[in-house]
Amino acid sequence: EPEVTQTPSHQVTQMGQEVILRCVPISNHLYFYWYRQILGQKVEFLVSFYNNEISEKSEIFDDQFSVERPDGSNFTLKIRSTKLEDSAMYFCASSLEGNSPLHFGNGTRLTVT
Amino acid sequence: AQTVTQSQPEMSVQEAETVTLSCTYDTSESDYYLFWYKQPPSRQMILVIRQEAYKQQNATENRFSVNFQKAAKSFSLKISDSQLGDAAMYFCAYRIIQGAQKLVFGQGTRLTINP
Repeated sequence: EPEVTQTPSHQVTQMGQEVILRCVPISNHLYFYWYRQILGQKVEFLVSFYNNEISEKSEIFDDQFSVERPDGSNFTLKIRSTKLEDSAMYFCASSLEGNSPLHFGNGTRLTVT
Repeated sequence: AQTVTQSQPEMSVQEAETVTLSCTYDTSESDYYLFWYKQPPSRQMILVIRQEAYKQQNATENRFSVNFQKAAKSFSLKISDSQLGDAAMYFCAYRIIQGAQKLVFGQGTRLTINP
């Protein structure tokens, strides 16, 4: 069965550094998402992306965050200047259509030191 | 604002027994989806079951079924004949029908299966 793949599985970065989290959604899916889960807390919506633009974003998704689909297969989340509180598990997801079930990746654990 | 509450941080059940995980939510919408996701140690979020609010019939997926009480805004998950592979974090989630798939998650319930 096709899967959403995320790389790396764990990323450690220093505060203030830029980090790019990478995702390969399922190939025929049209909708892409990022969620995050701070340790011990709820999974939270960050952003949804369709037709090469952001369709919705949460209040968490401030100017430090950006998303991009640089080619036909990758979907990236960039954090420009990481803060300690950005440490979390980041999940990418994709869906075929707007109302189709989401398929999640295994997540990238980001640790900011 | 929509909220989802799971009041059981941890649950345990004997293998082959039945367990029910609780979930309540708050919304002013009349049409929406509810979900249960499973997150095993591999960390991947796996969809277990989905319920459309306009459907009165409770969703069932093999050993997994829900008890959807729309008036009470309750959406519990029943796992029958529990298996060791069911051990995981279980998240209840909600989203409105229209618009982007902004899922609102509960805090999660960690389910342990005792052999």
